[in-house]
Amino acid sequence: AQSVTQLGSHVSVSEGALVLLRCNYSSSVPPYLFWYVQYPNQGLQLLLKYTSAATLVKGINGFEAEFKKSETSFHLTKPSAHMSDAAEYFCAVGRAGGGADGLTFGKGTHLIIQP
Amino acid sequence: GAGVSQSPRYKVTKRGQDVTLRCDPISSHATLYWYQQALGQGPEFLTYFNYEAQPDKSGLPSDRFSAERPEGSISTLTIQRTEQRDSAMYRCASSLSASGGHEQFFGPGTRLTVL
Repeated sequence: AQSVTQLGSHVSVSEGALVLLRCNYSSSVPPYLFWYVQYPNQGLQLLLKYTSAATLVKGINGFEAEFKKSETSFHLTKPSAHMSDAAEYFCAVGRAGGGADGLTFGKGTHLIIQP
Repeated sequence: GAGVSQSPRYKVTKRGQDVTLRCDPISSHATLYWYQQALGQGPEFLTYFNYEAQPDKSGLPSDRFSAERPEGSISTLTIQRTEQRDSAMYRCASSLSASGGHEQFFGPGTRLTVL
């Protein structure tokens, strides 16, 4: 069984400050890990994914995430927040090694950018 | 098509009525997923298709829920005898294949309200 925990349902940062959104996972097999972003009235858009290549993954819009197996974490960061980053962010885990049970998502973190 | 589309975008129905939601995936994509997203939660996997085959129905909440993809392209999700607890956003996603590492492209969702 797989699960995802996102710490903090809401995170508020000032424009220009570091963004850190936390994600911890549990999986009985090597995982694929994803971060998706959801803007109001839109579908989920992939930010980045980890599929067992480099542990530091760079995504769109300046976001990156680091896979840490020892900590079972896949935290999302961005050095400098922009107002346009305000959105809902979801961490998700997929099952590696074949099979397609669908993704298991966390509950999401709402990112608020203060001017 | 250029992206995943879903219809209707909004559906309001009365308790006990049947509803059918439609998903039109990206045309080259073999795999199609359905998710249910309650307010304030992340999407939860319902079922998926590989072309017209439906290998996994394990996420469907009850036998009132069913899905089809008869020609391996467009899919429908039907909820019979709707209940208020069925109120949620229903999201469809498609991917190139069932391999867990492939990106899932999400549609805008159908917001279902059961009165």
